[in-house]
Amino acid sequence: SQQGEEDPQALSIQEGENATMNCSYKTSINNLQWYRQNSGRGLVHLILIRSNEREKHSGRLRVTLDTSKKSSSLLITASRAADTASYFCAPISGGYNKLIFGAGTRLAVHP
Amino acid sequence: GAGVSQSPSNKVTEKGKDVELRCDPISGHTALYWYRQRLGQGLEFLIYFQGNSAPDKSGLPSDRFSAERTGESVSTLTIQRTQQEDSAVYLCASSLDSGPYEQYFGPGTRLTVT
Repeated sequence: SQQGEEDPQALSIQEGENATMNCSYKTSINNLQWYRQNSGRGLVHLILIRSNEREKHSGRLRVTLDTSKKSSSLLITASRAADTASYFCAPISGGYNKLIFGAGTRLAVHP
Repeated sequence: GAGVSQSPSNKVTEKGKDVELRCDPISGHTALYWYRQRLGQGLEFLIYFQGNSAPDKSGLPSDRFSAERTGESVSTLTIQRTQQEDSAVYLCASSLDSGPYEQYFGPGTRLTVT
């Protein structure tokens, strides 16, 4: 597996706004996963998108994948203060899901 | 059902001592991973167990680190002769299998080497 690079490093928004964070990677993948980490709930899996998928939704989350550009984006709609966390992407290219996270995107949602 | 549990939650040890960290995966999960996360940084892969197959130890940083898992149950990560640079949160995760499945993480063990 390889490390994804998240962008931006930090994002500060108001409750109700949308938040978009991006992930870029270097080599071809089998799937890409997004995780969230905050002090309250630890590290939690958000969504997995396979290499043959272009878009996936889960509640207020929308993930897109562009394998030609080797990039993915995570959109959180109608953000809440509880969405405050660090978000990590994990591009998976090996035979199993060995996760390697970069520094992540630190999202702060202000009430 | 019960999630992944880890113990202890915090461990403070003196440089040079050995420590043992424990992980109880979700019942029925055949894949188990150990990771390390230094303060403010991402996740470093340490070791992976899948059923009774030979583990992937490619992420272990030195021979002071070792891990065991009996079958599909508990795993222990042992760090011998701890150094200050070993200070980090050690996270364990399990997943249903080795395929494209989500990983469920434990709360971690925060290790501080003084």
